[in-house]
Amino acid sequence: GENVEQHPSTLSVQEGDSAVIKCTYSDSASNYFPWYKQELGKRPQLIIDIRSNVGEKKDQRIAVTLNKTAKHFSLHITETQPEDSAVYFCAANSFSGGYNKLIFGAGTRLAVHP
Amino acid sequence: DTGVSQDPRHKITKRGQNVTFRCDPISEHNRLYWYRQTLGQGPEFLTYFQNEAQLEKSRLLSDRFSAERPKGSFSTLEIQRTEQGDSAMYLCASSPLAGGDEQYFGPGTRLTVT
Repeated sequence: GENVEQHPSTLSVQEGDSAVIKCTYSDSASNYFPWYKQELGKRPQLIIDIRSNVGEKKDQRIAVTLNKTAKHFSLHITETQPEDSAVYFCAANSFSGGYNKLIFGAGTRLAVHP
Repeated sequence: DTGVSQDPRHKITKRGQNVTFRCDPISEHNRLYWYRQTLGQGPEFLTYFQNEAQLEKSRLLSDRFSAERPKGSFSTLEIQRTEQGDSAMYLCASSPLAGGDEQYFGPGTRLTVT
């Protein structure tokens, strides 16, 4: 079946450093790639997304890049702050089965140390 | 709060019992999804509704699981004869039919089967 692989599974950085999380996907038809942030005990929250017609998108301290040829996309967080600590999930849409749904990576636990 | 809501937030049940969860999507969102999330993993797709029609079900959705969205608004997910392996967070997400692929998640129902 379709899958999304995410690395690393854990990431520890010092406040102010940058953090990069990488994902690869298998479905060639995927054209939408969201990133979600999930704090402990809370719902996944959409923080940024990118569609296949662009290669990069930025929103303040976060940016996402997409390489469709390599089926690879990444989340970049600059000037990290302790409140960025959470689990981050990448996802890609898939039409297998006939309808649009999201396939998620296994998540990256980011810890930002003051 | 105009976001996706779910009820109950927590459910503890004994093996063999039936449970039912409810999801209220964002008003006027035609698309409704159910996902299951186990500890340390990303959400996994279970089923998809467009208005009142259940259009896709994952292979993860065994015969003990049934979902409905009778009037195209709220949805219910029922698990019959619960098993310990059903213990997980059950997440609901909604999305508008037109205008984008973004999915907005509810807070989830955490099910513990003892």
